[in-house]
Amino acid sequence: GENVEQHPSTLSVQEGDSAVIKCTYSDSASNYFPWYKQELGKRPQLIIDIRSNVGEKKDQRIAVTLNKTAKHFSLHITETQPEDSAVYFCAASRGNQGGKLIFGQGTELSVKP
Amino acid sequence: GAVVSQHPSWVICKSGTSVKIECRSLDFQATTMFWYRQFPKQSLMLMATSNEGSKATYEQGVEKDKFLINHASLTLSTLTVTSAHPEDSSFYICSAGDLGRGFLEQYFGPGTRLTVT
Repeated sequence: GENVEQHPSTLSVQEGDSAVIKCTYSDSASNYFPWYKQELGKRPQLIIDIRSNVGEKKDQRIAVTLNKTAKHFSLHITETQPEDSAVYFCAASRGNQGGKLIFGQGTELSVKP
Repeated sequence: GAVVSQHPSWVICKSGTSVKIECRSLDFQATTMFWYRQFPKQSLMLMATSNEGSKATYEQGVEKDKFLINHASLTLSTLTVTSAHPEDSSFYICSAGDLGRGFLEQYFGPGTRLTVT
């Protein structure tokens, strides 16, 4: 079945450094790749997404890259701040078919001041 | 825009009783609604997908007679946990999907913390 692998499971960086989280998906028909940030006890919040017709998307300190050939996509956070500390989830779906999201296992990011 | 509410935010119930959780899309009509459960320090596990007016599609291993889903309108879906047991204690999160821009974007509710004693 469909699967999304996410690495690393935990990531600790110093404030101001960059953080990179990587995901690999198995369903070659996936065409929508959102990233969610979840703080403890709260709902996942969509922070950025990318569709399969685009290779890169940036929104201020956050960027996502997609390599369709290799079936992997990555989240890049630059100039990290303590408030970036949270669990981040990648997901993949056949978005234009109304498909369900397949989530990665999550990455717990800790930004040390 | 794209606000999803969920009620209640937390509930404690006794073993054997049933609990109903509501999920509402407040400012858009949801094409599809999804129900997830999440255990501590784990990812979201999809339980079922529901479309308005039709039966829910349950993921493998999820008991449809135990987790009843009703999707009465384009803005409301409910999940009823029947005959709850302590192992049903979890964080239940709904999401509402909007296909309005051609891709299904999902927006999550705040979650419901269920504790079964």
